[in-house]
Amino acid sequence: GAVVSQHPSRVICKSGTSVKIECRSLDFQATTMFWYRQFPKQSLMLMATSNEGSKATYEQGVEKDKFLINHASLTLSTLTVTSAHPEDSSFYICSGGDAEETQYFGPGTRLLVL
Amino acid sequence: DAKTTQPTSMDCAEGRAANLPCNHSTISGNEYVYWYRQIHSQGPQYIIHGLKNNETNEMASLIITEDRKSSTLILPHATLRDTAVYYCIVRGGSEKLVFGKGTKLTVNP
Repeated sequence: GAVVSQHPSRVICKSGTSVKIECRSLDFQATTMFWYRQFPKQSLMLMATSNEGSKATYEQGVEKDKFLINHASLTLSTLTVTSAHPEDSSFYICSGGDAEETQYFGPGTRLLVL
Repeated sequence: DAKTTQPTSMDCAEGRAANLPCNHSTISGNEYVYWYRQIHSQGPQYIIHGLKNNETNEMASLIITEDRKSSTLILPHATLRDTAVYYCIVRGGSEKLVFGKGTKLTVNP
């Protein structure tokens, strides 16, 4: 299957700082990527749909000014958590689709905000 | 909301077949059935998907009933590394994936 990478795999930051998470499709081009968040013992919750060359589409209840998404190329999407707070601590996962639209997921980024 | 219903948990003996059921009684004609699994602290892994015919790949088999209202994922020879949460997802075309709670499969030695 297609490969998606994320960087960093885990990050610890102080409250009030911003954190950038990168999502890359390594062997395919993704015009659309998706960003999810997963809290402990819960399922994945879709945050936003990232579209190459255009603005992201956010799910209801997700603050677009807090979670900035940039899809600069067909292989790279970034999620920036601005002014992070402890409640933003979570497991962030991205996914991208191949030509047949099957979605492949990255390994996830664990964010801890102190 | 997820369009599927799965048992919360299942157990399976190592080396035996694991059969994971999924109900999707409101599935539309153009919607596929996708299966993913998530091993603890990792991103979901794609397993298999199908529309109406049964499908098989190197990981698993997918059996879809004729009326398409339910399906079963079969892991023919479960190993300890197959312990994970398995998600059955109904999705049309390029729609976003909506995850339910999935089935926590525990493979016992």
